[in-house]
Formats: sequence, C-alpha cells, structure tokens
Amino acid sequence: KAGVTQTPRYLIKTRGQQVTLSCSPISGHRSVSWYQQTPGQGLQFLFEYFSETQRNKGNFPGRFSGRQFSNSRSEMNVSTLELGDSALYLCASERDSQETQYFGPGTRLLVL
Amino acid sequence: TQLLEQSPQFLSIQEGENLTVYCNSSSVFSSLQWYRQEPGEGPVLLVTVVTGGEVKKLKRLTFQFGDARKDSSLHITAAQPGDTGLYLCAGMDSNYQLIWGAGTKLIIKP
Repeated sequence: KAGVTQTPRYLIKTRGQQVTLSCSPISGHRSVSWYQQTPGQGLQFLFEYFSETQRNKGNFPGRFSGRQFSNSRSEMNVSTLELGDSALYLCASERDSQETQYFGPGTRLLVL
Repeated sequence: TQLLEQSPQFLSIQEGENLTVYCNSSSVFSSLQWYRQEPGEGPVLLVTVVTGGEVKKLKRLTFQFGDARKDSSLHITAAQPGDTGLYLCAGMDSNYQLIWGAGTKLIIKP
C-alpha cells in the first residue's frame, strides 16, 4: 500500500506570493490533517478535513486555507506569504478519526 | 494553553550508552503518543500509552506514562546509531486534539 505523498517536496517563494501544497492520503483514508513544523516549535495543527469537510481548525490566520476533494486528496493554500511562513508542512492521513496518523515526508517551504 | 515540554531539547551520546527523554505537562491527557522523525521524512508513530502508570517496551525502547497521565518518559538502552532522530511526544486532550511537544533531537555517535 502506497504511503502518504506530498508535492512538491521543496519550494522557494518570495514574500507576498501565494503557494498551494498537495497531499495524497493512503488509499481508503478519509481524514487528512495539516501541520506546520518549525525548529523549536514542534508541530502546530493547521486543520483537518474529513469527507471534503473541514472538521477541525487550528489557530492560524485566514491566509492559511485548505480543501479536500472527493478522492480524499487535499490541498492547502497560503496567501500573501510572510518570512515566518518558512517551515516544513506535513500532512497526515487517517482511515477514520482517532486512529493512527500516517505522515507524509512534508513540503519544505522557504520564503525569501 | 496546553503545553507539552520535552527535555532535553538536544542529546548527543556514544553508541552503547543509555538515555532517557522526558515529556511533561500540567494537563491531563487521555493518551500519549511517541514518534520518531528522521531527516527528510514525516514522524512515524512508535507507541501509544493510554493507562496511567502504563509501561510499554519496544525492543530497547521503554515508554512510561505517568500515574496522573500528565507526563511520560522514553528510555533507550544501549543506544545505536540507528536510533538517531527527532523524538516527539503528543498528548490527546479532552477535545480529541493532539498537543505536540517540540521534540528531542538525539544523535548517537558510533
């Protein structure tokens, strides 16, 4: 069974631009969660999607948004990028809620 | 704000030594998970502890959940270079949200 895949793996953007990251969950998994990881901060929860609906949301500004498609693939978008948005963005999929999360390798975003 | 504090933040030891990393909070968690993350990859779940006082062993790794379910420890016996990585703990709160620690970066030198 293929694992969670994320594209692209690396991305360099400049301040003010926007970016879209993609996540393909494990086949059969309906839940996709997104996290931001920065050194010394750990993983910060962004949002969770389940069956195309946002089920939970973390404490991030409205510049961060996401969506999930009928095939469970998910995208997250960050508009008006700031230097502080530089981070590793991880997505994790679960078959259902409160089950084991399987993480993708992440997308490393650098904002210059 | 619920916090999970991990200590130490960084640990570098020789192969064969033992070590313990800690995960502490003032909040109670219904369960606590430990993950290991290697460079260029996402975290991988090692274990979930649920019951206060629970001890779980995974080969040379021993995980313990505190009696009050506020803290946890990970002990590694005879560390090997393959144990190198970032160890993360995450507690499940009453809203079924995972609260993450910042991690312990472990380097085992051959």
